[in-house]
Amino acid sequence: DTGVSQDPRHKITKRGQNVTFRCDPISEHNRLYWYRQTLGQGPEFLTYFQNEAQLEKSRLLSDRFSAERPKGSFSTLEIQRTEQGDSAMYLCASSLALGQGDGYTFGSGTRLTVV
Amino acid sequence: GDSVTQMEGPVTLSEEAFLTINCTYTATGYPSLFWYVQYPGEGLQLLLKATKADDKGSNKGFEATYRKETTSFHLEKGSVQVSDSAVYFCALSDPGANSKLTFGKGITLSVRP
Repeated sequence: DTGVSQDPRHKITKRGQNVTFRCDPISEHNRLYWYRQTLGQGPEFLTYFQNEAQLEKSRLLSDRFSAERPKGSFSTLEIQRTEQGDSAMYLCASSLALGQGDGYTFGSGTRLTVV
Repeated sequence: GDSVTQMEGPVTLSEEAFLTINCTYTATGYPSLFWYVQYPGEGLQLLLKATKADDKGSNKGFEATYRKETTSFHLEKGSVQVSDSAVYFCALSDPGANSKLTFGKGITLSVRP
């Protein structure tokens, strides 16, 4: 297992376009999280899945954002009608649902630039 | 709501210097506490963790003690190396929050030879 994989690593898009990111978690991990990190800030929680169920969404996740995790494996995060404020690093992480003391494994992130 | 406050950075030290990075937190429950590190060009990695009061997390020469009375989780290392240059994030996970992490802003550490 090579850890959490995210694709693409970088994405430049024009304002108003739609973008989709993919995350492949560690295979035995049943929890999957999406975070957003802007320059000079720590990561902020966006949403979380346990298996295929999306159990929580942050208020940061506007209607333009949608995330899926079909079959409880990989996940996609789509941003519709991108805005310049969406420019950030989008991080995916996975973990086992063993309790709050267990840390995550993060992917390297997808850096989105909206021009 | 939950929050994590880290000291302002960046921090620049000479090799073999002593390091302290302050972290304090506010939480509604009894959180677990973490330090994550991000090396240049890499993803976030768990450095150490502590799950209850007075626990000490340690890894790679770094230590942090869970202080419930002062709501703090300061990171220390006795002798830093150039390879420790990275961004360090303090974080908490609240028991009622589906294990999602709340992060501080992070602090950049640069160690010069």
